[in-house]
Order: sequence, then C-alpha cells, then structure tokens
Amino acid sequence: QSALTQPASMSGSPGQSITISCTGTSSDVGGYNHFSWYQQYPGKAPKLMIYDDNNRPSGVSNRFSGSKSGNTASLTISGLQAEDEADYYCSSYTTNNRVFGGGTKLTVL
Amino acid sequence: QLQLQESGPGLVKSSETLSLTCTVSGGFIRSSSYYWGWLRQPPGKGLEWIGSIYYSGSTYYNPSLQSLVSISVDTSKNQFSLKLNSVTAADTAVYYCARQGLPLGEFWDWGQGSLVTVSS
Repeated sequence: QSALTQPASMSGSPGQSITISCTGTSSDVGGYNHFSWYQQYPGKAPKLMIYDDNNRPSGVSNRFSGSKSGNTASLTISGLQAEDEADYYCSSYTTNNRVFGGGTKLTVL
Repeated sequence: QLQLQESGPGLVKSSETLSLTCTVSGGFIRSSSYYWGWLRQPPGKGLEWIGSIYYSGSTYYNPSLQSLVSISVDTSKNQFSLKLNSVTAADTAVYYCARQGLPLGEFWDWGQGSLVTVSS
C-alpha cells in the first residue's frame, strides 16, 4: 500500500483541463515543500514534471502546474492533449524518507 | 547531457544478493548539488525509493529496506552501486538509478531501468 493516495484512473477529452490529486499527511505532503510529480509512459522511465510543489523543470510544458493545500497536492494539466496519456506519480519528502503515491493512469478520450 | 545506465544480472536466485551498478556519463558524480538514488517498480505497480548516496559516501535508506540494502559509490569510475540481500519474488522489479536533488529531493534524471527477476 502506497504512502500517498492518488486516484487509480482519470480521463478527459482533448482541450479540457484535468486535476490529479495526491493526499498524504502533515508528516509528508503537508509538512514540507519538497513535493514532486512524475509522468511515465509504458515501458519508459519516469520524467520529472513538477518539483518543490509548483516549479516546472526547463522544457516541461506550461500546461502542467502544481499546487498544494494542507495535506493534498494537485497536478493540473490544461489543454489536454493525446500525448498527455500516461501514468502520473506524486512523491513527497518525509523524515529521512521519500514516499510515492500509487499512480494515476490518465486516459485522453 | 547527463545520462545514467544501469547494469547487472537480470536474473537472481531467491535468498541471494541482487547487485546493480549505475554508470553516469555527461556529468560528474562528484557534484555537491546532488545525491544519487536507486528506485524500483514491480511489474504493473508503483514506484518505491530504495536509497540514495552522496559522493562522499553518506547514505539514506528507505526504512522498510534498510536492513537489506547497501549503496556504495566509486567516484573514480563515476559509478554507484546497489546491493539488496536475501531477495524474494517480491523483489522482482525494474530497478532505476537516478540523480536526486538535496535533501532527499526530486529525481531529475533517470536511467532507462533494468528488469531484475528473482527466481526460485
């Protein structure tokens, strides 16, 4: 069982916005500003999409944004595109540990 | 551009030791800004952080695996390595090495992954 809770699957149509949630506790998500999101295509390594809660690495589309409120973090993808269909994982720092969510499979209809 | 490449046996017998090495190219492991980490992903499942090492040899391990894991670094070869003892079928997974921000931060660059199967 994963330390952080994500919906197992979500779907959206091209052009729509979608928000993936990740819920933890005050000991992880709510306690630190070291939260990140990853995108993973089947058979590929994950790719960093958001770090330190709401920062995008160079080269990541500005359609991806991160936010956090209390013990829940969110990844919003605006203007959904076919290429956004992938698995998304959240990750948080906790004391001497790094924990992940179980992943959300995003389908673009 | 930084690249990481995992190498090691793809098949390990149950109760034996899993050993993998990550070779870093396009950059130096002796960087004051990063840790170097190992993660794994069982088939069809999510990601799990195993542990990380600094170029000085300082390590952090996942508390749930700490008694079984050892990570070492060889700065002369620009490599770091993972050893996981007493493996079982539950340790069958794709193992990734990655460059990690401080402290125990995000994973910036990843290797392609190496599937290790534990057989009985």
